[in-house]
Amino acid sequence: GNSVTQMEGPVTLSEEAFLTINCTYTATGYPSLFWYVQYPGEGLQLLLKATKADDKGSNKGFEATYRKETTSFHLEKGSVQVSDSAVYFCALTGNQAGTALIFGKGTTLSVSS
Amino acid sequence: SQTIHQWPATLVQPVGSPLSLECTVEGTSNPNLYWYRQAAGRGLQLLFYSVGIGQISSEVPQNLSASRPQDRQFILSSKKLLLSDSGFYLCAWSVPGLINTDTQYFGPGTRLTVL
Repeated sequence: GNSVTQMEGPVTLSEEAFLTINCTYTATGYPSLFWYVQYPGEGLQLLLKATKADDKGSNKGFEATYRKETTSFHLEKGSVQVSDSAVYFCALTGNQAGTALIFGKGTTLSVSS
Repeated sequence: SQTIHQWPATLVQPVGSPLSLECTVEGTSNPNLYWYRQAAGRGLQLLFYSVGIGQISSEVPQNLSASRPQDRQFILSSKKLLLSDSGFYLCAWSVPGLINTDTQYFGPGTRLTVL
């Protein structure tokens, strides 16, 4: 079945540093890909998504491009802020009817001023 | 606009006690509904999903159950809690008819501690 692997954290950066969180996937067919963000004590919020190869999702300065050739969906931001400190989850749709999103284990990002 | 509510926000229960967590969605009809559990330091585990009233699918065997008594209400229950049931429980919804292709929107979660 479909699966997703994302880099383990924690990732610790200084404010204004460049961020990359790697995400690779295994899938049959053409899944949709997502990045969700979870701030401390809260539920998950959709950050961005891409539904087909070469699509670029973007939101709040974050970007990720659906790369079918490398089966990747890496999350990037050019200049992180302290307020970006959170846990980031990569996810994709399942390959069977009746299955929901498949999530990675999450990457904790900590940004210091 | 659509909103999703969960309650209670936090809960501390003794081992062996019953459980009832509630999730409601506003602003949409016949949503797909999901229950996830997030254990400390781990990812999300899908527990149940529902495509309509009375229709529940279970993803993993456990001592939890789910019910959908109304179109926009999803309840997670247990008759006897175990220590391993501790975690952060998240409810989510998605557009009806698209179980595995569309975005899921999450509620604020319930933090359950079983002592």
